[in-house]
Amino acid sequence: GAGVSQSPRYKVAKRGQDVALRCDPISGHVSLFWYQQALGQGPEFLTYFQNEAQLDKSGLPSDRFFAERPEGSVSTLKIQRTQQEDSAVYLCASSSGLAGSNIQYFGAGTRLSVL
Amino acid sequence: ILNVEQSPQSLHVQEGDSTNFTCSFPSSNFYALHWYRWETAKSPEALFVMTLNGDEKKKGRISATLNTKEGYSYLYIKGSQPEDSATYLCASALDSGGGADGLTFGKGTHLIIQP
Repeated sequence: GAGVSQSPRYKVAKRGQDVALRCDPISGHVSLFWYQQALGQGPEFLTYFQNEAQLDKSGLPSDRFFAERPEGSVSTLKIQRTQQEDSAVYLCASSSGLAGSNIQYFGAGTRLSVL
Repeated sequence: ILNVEQSPQSLHVQEGDSTNFTCSFPSSNFYALHWYRWETAKSPEALFVMTLNGDEKKKGRISATLNTKEGYSYLYIKGSQPEDSATYLCASALDSGGGADGLTFGKGTHLIIQP
């Protein structure tokens, strides 16, 4: 497919478990973003990659959250020792350019439920 | 205004009626304003990206206006159809001096079109 693909679509984790969420951006897109959407809220920025470089991780809520994009394409968001407050939809978006005026193309998200 | 705010939070509209809703955003360091439509179980889909004060954009029955000086944007839907039912998100991109940044989203307006 030509769009942004995220997997898994749903993930149920026990509190304390580590999880890994995958994002396949649109081929050739330079910029990649991760957002977290808690219930009843808008998406909130987590981190941004330009190719393989993580240029902004100011939105990561704690040091339990870690993201990587080692070859400048697929990205993984890892959450260690999950807590109930980590329950949310995690959205990935990619963009062809570098400016804030470029459209971001979103995946359908991964819904994480921590029990 | 420090955050992006959208109103109303939810809206029920009769099929065939026209409607509009509001997005307020920080006017300082403004770079771009994005509108997305998010249908249940699908990916958020970009509607418009606007950058210039006074900008008006149109896509079929949907249009948007932008006032960067006072920090607001309106989204209009003419002759609402059931397929317009979705959550409409607006997001602000700030001018950080170079490169892309994550978007700051509002909580969205949940629109329900009643047949």
